[in-house]
Amino acid sequence: ETGVTQTPRHLVMGMTNKKSLKCEQHLGHNAMYWYKQSAKKPLELMFVYNFKEQTENNSVPSRFSPECPNSSHLFLHLHTLQPEDSALYLCASSLNVQEQFFGPGTRLTVL
Amino acid sequence: QQQVKQSPQSLIVQKGGISIINCAYENTAFDYFPWYQQFPGKGPALLIAIRPDVSEKKEGRFTISFNKSAKQFSLHIMDSQPGDSATYFCAASMDDYKLSFGAGTTVTVRA
Repeated sequence: ETGVTQTPRHLVMGMTNKKSLKCEQHLGHNAMYWYKQSAKKPLELMFVYNFKEQTENNSVPSRFSPECPNSSHLFLHLHTLQPEDSALYLCASSLNVQEQFFGPGTRLTVL
Repeated sequence: QQQVKQSPQSLIVQKGGISIINCAYENTAFDYFPWYQQFPGKGPALLIAIRPDVSEKKEGRFTISFNKSAKQFSLHIMDSQPGDSATYFCAASMDDYKLSFGAGTTVTVRA
């Protein structure tokens, strides 16, 4: 295990549902990230939190809403998603700008 | 706009052979170039990284070659083993929180 855990590992939801993804890191890091991974495409950085402050939002649609209550926990709240949002959502953490440690991801399917 | 272009998309190599993956970038402000390895069902994990002040870095069977003038860098896997079968991602950053990833290369090592 990398020290970054994500729950749930798999999620199937309808377009009208509201769900949340959870990420927790036990590494004492101060930065946390959400990435979207789609087949045959580069990992897409969605959000960056540094010391609980959001420092990056890469033009992500408002149907994705991040929350970082403390430096160890990160959430991604989902509502009214589209089928094209189906992907693997990866959480990562780092100590400042050093190596990013990734969690195993949540496989999301939107019906 | 994809800032890091990676090739090939996939490759097959015999056990004991050499795997070579190439990446090219445009932004000359990039100063940190990591490679990540991802196994099915797992998040990416840092394999090896290089900065532009050196032209080569070797760690075990893995070597990064860096050509600053050509804005290219590559990963060489020597003596490839079946356990090296994975997807490899190159990335680049300006030593900040934003990593720009390549699209990935799936390596299959045949016994």
